[in-house]
Amino acid sequence: EPEVTQTPSHQVTQMGQEVILRCVPISNHLYFYWYRQILGQKVEFLVSFYNNEISEKSEIFDDQFSVERPDGSNFTLKIRSTKLEDSAMYFCASSEAGYWRQETQYFGPGTRLLVL
Amino acid sequence: KNQVEQSPQSLIILEGKNCTLQCNYTVSPFSNLRWYKQDTGRGPVSLTIMTFSENTKSNGRYTATLDADTKQSSLHITASQLSDSASYICVVSEGGSYIPTFGRGTSLIVHP
Repeated sequence: EPEVTQTPSHQVTQMGQEVILRCVPISNHLYFYWYRQILGQKVEFLVSFYNNEISEKSEIFDDQFSVERPDGSNFTLKIRSTKLEDSAMYFCASSEAGYWRQETQYFGPGTRLLVL
Repeated sequence: KNQVEQSPQSLIILEGKNCTLQCNYTVSPFSNLRWYKQDTGRGPVSLTIMTFSENTKSNGRYTATLDADTKQSSLHITASQLSDSASYICVVSEGGSYIPTFGRGTSLIVHP
């Protein structure tokens, strides 16, 4: 069964450093998402992406965040200058159609980011 | 501010028993409501997706209900199994912006 994959599974970085989290969505999917989950807290929506542009973003997704689909398979989340509060599990998800069409979203296993 | 509240926060049941989890929301306008199962340290897995016009939707031993008038949903798990031990998350999407609001989840533990 096709699945969303994410790399790395764990990343430790120093405050102020740039990190890039990578995701490979399911191959025929057109919509891509990033979420984060701070330890012990609820999942939070960051951004949705379609047709090489951001379709929705939350208040969390400020100028230090960016997303990109650099090729036909990868979808990346970049954090330009990490802060301690960026420490969280970051989930990538994909779906065939948009969230509003009640399509199932498939989540990856997550990347646990620790900012020291 | 849109909110999704889930109850109970945690629940312990014996294997084979049924249970019902609750979700109340204030999201408006409403687009859809989803229930997810999240195992510890893993990504959420979709169980059901319901729109405004749907009252009930089943997925195997999982049955979700929706009352859009009272803005309440429930997830009923029948004949629980040890593998049902997980966090169950209610997610409501806002119509128009489609931005989802997640609940904090109900942590379910099934004991043998």
